[in-house]
Amino acid sequence: GENVEQHPSTLSVQEGDSAVIKCTYSDSASNYFPWYKQELGKGPQLIIDIRSNVGEKKDQRIAVTLNKTAKHFSLHITETQPEDSAVYFCAAGGYGNNRLAFGKGNQVVVIP
Amino acid sequence: GAVVSQHPSWVICKSGTSVKIECRSLDFQATTMFWYRQFPKQSLMLMATSNEGSKATYEQGVEKDKFLINHASLTLSTLTVTSAHPEDSSFYICSARGDNNYGYTFGSGTRLTVV
Repeated sequence: GENVEQHPSTLSVQEGDSAVIKCTYSDSASNYFPWYKQELGKGPQLIIDIRSNVGEKKDQRIAVTLNKTAKHFSLHITETQPEDSAVYFCAAGGYGNNRLAFGKGNQVVVIP
Repeated sequence: GAVVSQHPSWVICKSGTSVKIECRSLDFQATTMFWYRQFPKQSLMLMATSNEGSKATYEQGVEKDKFLINHASLTLSTLTVTSAHPEDSSFYICSARGDNNYGYTFGSGTRLTVV
């Protein structure tokens, strides 16, 4: 099955700087790669996703890039703000696959 | 966008009692529901997958008689923790997927504490 690795496990950044989280996946058949943000005591919330037919997608301060050849995808947060502090999970899967495989999560701390 | 409502958000129960957690998809039909358990500072651990009208498929190591899952309609799935023990204390999260989309929509989670 699919195996997703996520690095680093924790990331501290100064407010206003950029944060980058990287994930790798193992199954070349995966074609859907979402990112979730989880705040303390809450369920994960989808913040951005990308399908394998594109290499990059951007939504305001958040962007995701996908390298299918290398089987890795990254989340980029620019101009970080304290409210960006949370745990971020990447996942990989695909339509027709019944489940997503999740990374172990990344604790992002934005220092004011 | 897709919304999944999960209740209760927290519950405290005595050992030996049962607790039911509900997840409802409010604006789409959830053909598949997933139930996760999450320990502090850890990732989501998939417990079981259920398709509407079918029996749930449990992950290895998850006791199906202890964690009863019902997915009787396209908008409602329930997880019942039977004969709860303190080690069942955890954060339980549901996720729903419709028939025509890739994505999963998560509920807000339920903090279960067994005393």
